[in-house]
Amino acid sequence: QSALTQPRSVSGSPGQSVTISCTGTSSDVGGYKYVSWYQQHPGKVPKLLIYEVTKRPSGVPDRFSGSKSGNTASLTISGLQAEDDADYYCFSFAENSAGSWMVFGGGTKLTVL
Amino acid sequence: QLQLQESGPGLVKPSETLPLTCTVSGDSISSSSHYWGWIRQPPGKGLEWIGSIYHSGDTYYNPSLKSRVIISVDTSKNQFSLKLSSVTAADTAVYYCAREVGVTKIIDSWGQGTLVIVSS
Repeated sequence: QSALTQPRSVSGSPGQSVTISCTGTSSDVGGYKYVSWYQQHPGKVPKLLIYEVTKRPSGVPDRFSGSKSGNTASLTISGLQAEDDADYYCFSFAENSAGSWMVFGGGTKLTVL
Repeated sequence: QLQLQESGPGLVKPSETLPLTCTVSGDSISSSSHYWGWIRQPPGKGLEWIGSIYHSGDTYYNPSLKSRVIISVDTSKNQFSLKLSSVTAADTAVYYCAREVGVTKIIDSWGQGTLVIVSS
């Protein structure tokens, strides 16, 4: 049961949009609505950005949006700002005949140029 | 206001058992809405979910760590604990305790994290 697959790094200029993918299987990302996204700045605890694929907690700007197609979930950040420079992790419920668990993606470093 | 605080040794010898406790304040660990979990992050690397527990004692573990992990709960102390056995240098990490929301399966609150180094 490996980590979900994310690109190691993405980059964009201020004002641009970037999309971070998170690829799993039908036993995790593809099979359930329980995909969430977290942002982590160095030395800080992760912050929830998106839950249940597309929902935003109160206080999270609408520049952050989530989607899913098949076994791949995506986080799109539009109107990039300097403070978006951080690591991003997807997180999914997973289940098979052996039981259920949660799994993170490997993480993506976003660099705002 | 919910607070989670990890406690335990900062240094553990290889092959020994890593013990950590999370003390919860501002919420009851017996809440029917939440699970209580552990996540770790090796220095410079990504997050890894270790496992979580419900107040009833039901546990859910990362399959890759399941053989070495025990998570337990003490409702009288409003605490939950992690024991990771047969540790190696690869288990060196910042260990976070966290609250998970059962309905949405998100982590909505984190402890500050504690660095545990595995070294002789």
